Amino acid sequence: EVQLVESGGGLVQPGGSLRLSCAASGFTFSTYSMIYVRQAPGKGLEWVSYISPSGTTIIYADSVKGRFTISRDNAKNSLFLQMNSLRDEDTAVYYCARDDSSGREFLDYWGQGTPVTVSS
Amino acid sequence: DIQMTQSPSSVSASVGDRVTITCRASQGISTWLAWYQQKPGKAPNLLIYAASSLQRGVPSRFSGSGSGTDFTLTISSLQPEDFATYYCQQANSFPLTFGGGTKVEIK
Repeated sequence: EVQLVESGGGLVQPGGSLRLSCAASGFTFSTYSMIYVRQAPGKGLEWVSYISPSGTTIIYADSVKGRFTISRDNAKNSLFLQMNSLRDEDTAVYYCARDDSSGREFLDYWGQGTPVTVSS
Repeated sequence: DIQMTQSPSSVSASVGDRVTITCRASQGISTWLAWYQQKPGKAPNLLIYAASSLQRGVPSRFSGSGSGTDFTLTISSLQPEDFATYYCQQANSFPLTFGGGTKVEIK
């Protein structure tokens, strides 16, 4: 059974940092691209970042570019999102999701989400 | 960036009703479109990919159609567990973008 289990969310002050983790199981993690999507309270879905299976291709939304860093450890079946210089508008539930490997980014499995609150 | 516009933003319907949700892309995206269902407090769930392909395990009352800029999600006979918010997402190019969502409520 495919599982994505997220951790690392919490309350942080503006300008602070947080590192999210996503532990994958039930599939060959190293062969799938992975994606982060976030959802602000009461709002819709916003794509945040993409990483290819080997980690050689990384893409960010303009809203987080230069502040967030996505990475992966294929040996440990884990995905990470390092979030620096956090702003109020980064407050959201963050989801990791698996790209279905069809060649297009359809997200076939999602983690349970981890909430991030940026507030003083 | 490709903008995705969903309509309506909400719909009230009864069990057994046929419900149709539309999604329009600001430019052509071929059939690179997905539909997701999200229930309160839960992660989204993939229903349809490539505009019309039913994800494994999703009931056949869900169907998708369209290509280019105009797409439709249809629920042929609404069931109690279908009351949720539905999102479209384009997978034609980065940045990936989602529609604003359509909330399906009980009439």
